[in-house]
Amino acid sequence: DQQVKQNSPSLSVQEGRISILNCDYTNSMFDYFLWYKKYPAEGPTFLISISSIKDKNEDGRFTVFLNKSAKHLSLHIVPSQPGDSAVYFCAASGHTGKLIFGQGTTLQVKP
Amino acid sequence: DADVTQTPRNRITKTGKRIMLECSQTKGHDRMYWYRQDPGLGLRLIYYSFDVKDINKGEISDGYSVSRQAQAKFSLSLESAIPNQTALYFCATSASDTEAFFGQGTRLTVV
Repeated sequence: DQQVKQNSPSLSVQEGRISILNCDYTNSMFDYFLWYKKYPAEGPTFLISISSIKDKNEDGRFTVFLNKSAKHLSLHIVPSQPGDSAVYFCAASGHTGKLIFGQGTTLQVKP
Repeated sequence: DADVTQTPRNRITKTGKRIMLECSQTKGHDRMYWYRQDPGLGLRLIYYSFDVKDINKGEISDGYSVSRQAQAKFSLSLESAIPNQTALYFCATSASDTEAFFGQGTRLTVV
């Protein structure tokens, strides 16, 4: 049972445009959500997070939106840059403390 | 030096062999995790530990065991390796409800 789902395996955007990566979750007990970025041959690195008490968190070019009623979060990258090309994972945690990840979305930003 | 170090980085082993993957961290965090990454399945939690005396099964613990030798060390064992345990394995550490920091991964191939 996949509690955190990223239904788009891949996304391709042009440099300078907006990239929108989506994530859905099923467990209403999740209260903290994170996005990670992963380059080949490296471990995932933390990008941005959001608590369930907020609906938006922004850090430079990266913004995460949380819609609790829809159990949906999204990561917006604007403007997208070729260096943003990587696999993006969303993750969620709740009162158990376990960090559960989605399947990942491969983002390609074309010059 | 990396905050989270995994050894070995690459390993090829035969079916039925016992193998141990090691992880150490210098972050001083209490929480440690083991994940495996498979194409299309994302990062799946194998085991996690919130302190030296606390060990918990994750989503896919069958065929694996762990040992938390110290706050800084968390090892993953495959008692009798099988080919479908071929994957990329990641260790991670976190402090309570904050982002997790990952090692660079161990690529394990079971032939």
